[in-house]
Amino acid sequence: DIQMTQSPSSLSASVGDRVTLTCRASQGISNSLAWYQQKPGKAPKLLIYAASTLQSGVPSRFSGSGSGTDFTLTISSLQPEDVATYYCQKYNSAPWTFGQGTKVEIK
Amino acid sequence: QVQLVQSGAEVKKPGASLKVSCKASGYTFTSYGISWVRQAPGQGLEWMGWISGYNGNTNYAQKLQGRVTMTTDTSTSTAYMELRSLRSDDTAVYYCAREGQWLFDNWGQGTLVTVSS
Repeated sequence: DIQMTQSPSSLSASVGDRVTLTCRASQGISNSLAWYQQKPGKAPKLLIYAASTLQSGVPSRFSGSGSGTDFTLTISSLQPEDVATYYCQKYNSAPWTFGQGTKVEIK
Repeated sequence: QVQLVQSGAEVKKPGASLKVSCKASGYTFTSYGISWVRQAPGQGLEWMGWISGYNGNTNYAQKLQGRVTMTTDTSTSTAYMELRSLRSDDTAVYYCAREGQWLFDNWGQGTLVTVSS
């Protein structure tokens, strides 16, 4: 099975900072990559799919890029409401594996 | 609007079985699949399996094969996930999620399952 590895496991940044999260697939998955945001005590929320397409209603400060095995999620200007754990997920074929998550906190 | 409403929290003993329901509304149930995802305390997300809302076809995570069964009742737009032979490491929050084009675009509120003697 394809493994998804996220880095870093956690990060702390200031409000207004540009933040970049990374996700790496153990084999190529084309652009079949989604990003989810999970706030404490809540269900995950779909942010980005097809590696770079913003889900409806998601703020434009979120963006995604990448193809093949290496992907990034960027928050252009970190806001207090962005405190959450972010997961990548590959969906080119079953199993639909998630990365282990990156926890984002405010410094 | 799309809603997925799950059944309430459960406490089970090791070796018992569990059945969680997920009632969908706000969309055509048979046009989408349902995936089940669980999250152990303080851990990440684990995909458990998928069921088609159209024809009931399933695809289960290999590690749960033989212990998990997913079903649907299209008359009530409800999906069910049954997990048997429960162990302590099955303690988790269990989520259902609507699957469309292999993406999970709407999620249930989660069901906390505690397995303890």
